[in-house]
Amino acid sequence: DIQMTQSPSSLSASVGDRVTITCRASQSISGYLNWYQQKPGKAPKLLIYTASSLQSGVPSRFSGSGSGTDFTLTISSLQPEDFATYYCQQSYNTPLTFGGGTKVEIK
Amino acid sequence: QVQLQQSGPGLVKPSQTLSLTCAISGDSVSRNGAAWIWIRQSPSRGLEWLGRTYYRSRWYYDYALSVKSRMTINPDTSKNQVSLQLNSVTPDDTAVYYCASQKGGGGMDVWGQGTTVTVSS
Repeated sequence: DIQMTQSPSSLSASVGDRVTITCRASQSISGYLNWYQQKPGKAPKLLIYTASSLQSGVPSRFSGSGSGTDFTLTISSLQPEDFATYYCQQSYNTPLTFGGGTKVEIK
Repeated sequence: QVQLQQSGPGLVKPSQTLSLTCAISGDSVSRNGAAWIWIRQSPSRGLEWLGRTYYRSRWYYDYALSVKSRMTINPDTSKNQVSLQLNSVTPDDTAVYYCASQKGGGGMDVWGQGTTVTVSS
């Protein structure tokens, strides 16, 4: 199975901050990397697919980059509604696997 | 717009079978290009992909090794839904279960509302 490692596991930030979350795959997954946002009691929501494509309806302050084994999710200016947990997930092969999550909290 | 509506019991006794259904609206379970996925989430396991089914001239099934011997995903074209059956459950199967749709090789863009399943006597 491909292991997905996210860092940090949590961070504290203020509204307006630029936030970067990283995800590393245990082997090359080309660009088959997706990012999700999850709020308490809700299903995950797709933000970015295939590393850098913005899902329809997702604000442009979210962006993704990377290929191979190293990927990044960036929130350019953190908004109050962005406080949540973020997960990366590889869709290169089955079993599809997720990172452990990054909880973004209010500073 | 595609919507997934989950149904099924929230409490299952140990050794019994967990059965959940995911009703699809706005799309077809047998449409080429879509895959229908079951995922669960628990504090101990995080987000765990359980399996998927998809139609490409015939039905295909993939299962996670951790549940392969106990799990069945069944598409129902007459009801446009997909179901999950997990046999011989233990307390370790306690989790929130989600169905989701995946388009091509990308992410899972539509999710069900989730079903909290507790395995307890």
